[in-house]
Amino acid sequence: QSVLTQPPSVSAAPGQKVTISCSGSSSNIRNNYVSWYQQLPGTAPKLLIYENNKRPSGIPDRFSGSKSGTSATLGITGLQTGDEADYYCETWDRSLGAGVFGGGTKLTVL
Amino acid sequence: QVRLQESGPGLVKPSQTLSLICTVSGGSISNGDFYWSWVRQHPERGLEWIGYIYYTGTTYDNPSLRSRISMSADTSKNHFSLRLSSVTAADTAVYYCARIQAAAGHFDYWGQGTLVTVSS
Repeated sequence: QSVLTQPPSVSAAPGQKVTISCSGSSSNIRNNYVSWYQQLPGTAPKLLIYENNKRPSGIPDRFSGSKSGTSATLGITGLQTGDEADYYCETWDRSLGAGVFGGGTKLTVL
Repeated sequence: QVRLQESGPGLVKPSQTLSLICTVSGGSISNGDFYWSWVRQHPERGLEWIGYIYYTGTTYDNPSLRSRISMSADTSKNHFSLRLSSVTAADTAVYYCARIQAAAGHFDYWGQGTLVTVSS
């Protein structure tokens, strides 16, 4: 059971928008930066969002991040079949004294 | 472009020690702006944070694994390593090394990962 809770799966049609939630607590999300990672099948995770809402160079603005209180959200607009992947949120948990990942959300583009 | 590459045995016997090395190119592990970390992923499951090492040798590891973990860094070879002792089948996973931006804590570069199977 992950400290950060994500929906196991989400789906939407090409061109549509989807959001993925990441729910935590005051010991993790509330007081720390959240980052998001995309893991395409058979590959290593790739940084999508850091410091809650910043995109690394090369990540299209179709991807966005936000945080409010003890929850964070990843948004993806203009969905493409190439966006089908697992998405993970991550932050630091001061109670555990460790980094923590969400359980991951599988995105299906129908 | 920074690149990280994991290397080590793909098969380890139960109760033995898992040893992996991550070789870094395109950047120095002596750069104080970064931590050098390990993350693993059990088959068909999510990601688990293992720990990180700073170029000074300071380490920080997951309390759930702390009693079995040892990490080190060799700045002359620009690589860092992970040792996990007393392994069981539950330690079978893909092991990734990754770079952490020290200021903000996110993983910005990852190795391709290496599968380690614990089996007799």
